[in-house]
Amino acid sequence: ETGVTQSPTHLIKTRGQQVTLRCSSQSGHNTVSWYQQALGQGPQFIFQYYREEENGRGNFPPRFSGLQFPNYSSELNVNALELDDSALYLCASSLEIGSPLHFGNGTRLTVT
Amino acid sequence: KQEVTQIPAALSVPEGENLVLNCSFTDSAIYNLQWFRQDPGKGLTSLLLIQSSQREQTSGRLNASLDKSSGRSTLYIAASQPGDSATYLCAVRPFDQGAQKLVFGQGTRLTINP
Repeated sequence: ETGVTQSPTHLIKTRGQQVTLRCSSQSGHNTVSWYQQALGQGPQFIFQYYREEENGRGNFPPRFSGLQFPNYSSELNVNALELDDSALYLCASSLEIGSPLHFGNGTRLTVT
Repeated sequence: KQEVTQIPAALSVPEGENLVLNCSFTDSAIYNLQWFRQDPGKGLTSLLLIQSSQREQTSGRLNASLDKSSGRSTLYIAASQPGDSATYLCAVRPFDQGAQKLVFGQGTRLTINP
């Protein structure tokens, strides 16, 4: 059984650019969530997808968007990057809503 | 709005000691509470999940308790080892969220000294 994998592991972007982060869910998991973790802080919920539909969103602006594909892999897109977007972005999948979350190792995004 | 607080922010103890990490939350309307471990620069590893109807969960040297009415949880680590050094995060799933949103505390950074 493979776990949750994220790519890339590290990324450096310039303010104003756009970025796409990718996540491959654990086998059989149809729910994926994305979290942003700033340095020294706990993760903050961005949004969740269930069977390719967004079914919950945290307090993040519309320039944060996502997709979930039929194979349950997922993308997080961030437009018009700001310096404060620098963080560890974590993807988590679960077998179904209410099941324990399984996290990937994250993508470290640095915006300069 | 649900808020989660973890005390202390950092803890350093000698190897072999038993220790307790604390987590408090402001709204008792939760589905469950989960404790995670995070190694530097890594993702989160789930340690224990306690459903709202449960009082505690145990896994090996770890024991987590939940007192929903008082908004508190503790993670007890027995016979600590240097390999236990990591940041420990607690998170609650609020009852009023349709999505599986977790609200995290800021974590306790634990160092076990050999």
